[in-house]
Amino acid sequence: RKEVEQDPGPFNVPEGATVAFNCTYSNSASQSFFWYRQDCRKEPKLLMSVYSSGNEDGRFTAQLNRASQYISLLIRDSKLSDSATYLCVVTGTASKLTFGTGTRLQVTL
Amino acid sequence: DARVTQTPRDKVTEMGQEVTMRCQPILGHNTVFWYRQTMMQGLELLAYFRNRAPLDDSGMPKDRFSAEMPDATLATLKIQPSEPRDSAVYFCASGLSQGIGELFFGEGSRLTVL
Repeated sequence: RKEVEQDPGPFNVPEGATVAFNCTYSNSASQSFFWYRQDCRKEPKLLMSVYSSGNEDGRFTAQLNRASQYISLLIRDSKLSDSATYLCVVTGTASKLTFGTGTRLQVTL
Repeated sequence: DARVTQTPRDKVTEMGQEVTMRCQPILGHNTVFWYRQTMMQGLELLAYFRNRAPLDDSGMPKDRFSAEMPDATLATLKIQPSEPRDSAVYFCASGLSQGIGELFFGEGSRLTVL
């Protein structure tokens, strides 16, 4: 079983739709959680951290469920510019960051 | 605008040749990571350093790969000899150990081994 698993997608949604991605992790000792965004043929960039209490940044909401070992990302009112691959990231021992393979989102007109 | 710089951006080489990739982390960052990205495996951690000391290189094939930080402004990843299965995009990223989770990535080195 992979340490971090994501549905690869693609998720094809119309502009204005709400879309949610989940990510599961296998190490119950994982300490920190993040979502990164990667545009086609570009480098990954930090989108947001995921806190135990959940957090929101504009149209983006991230949540953590430690009991079930998953994190989620919700995007409301999708824009064309949201089209990208979203990478789930988990840190474990010695601050090692492990990336999921990513979920691809395509927002269409 | 501070950023991580990687060279070369693109490299095409023949099987058996030595490949060296270089990375200049953001000034002041004390952690440096090397990742390899392929369509099938996603981003795989090859090695990482904190204050120039190697902390984890368990993801790296030791027989052909080596990673070093000769000084705080330079990290290198070397493959010798290269094989077609090494074809991938290699990313270097840097960050601060106290701000773990926020990594700044370079634009990547796209390697093709024929």
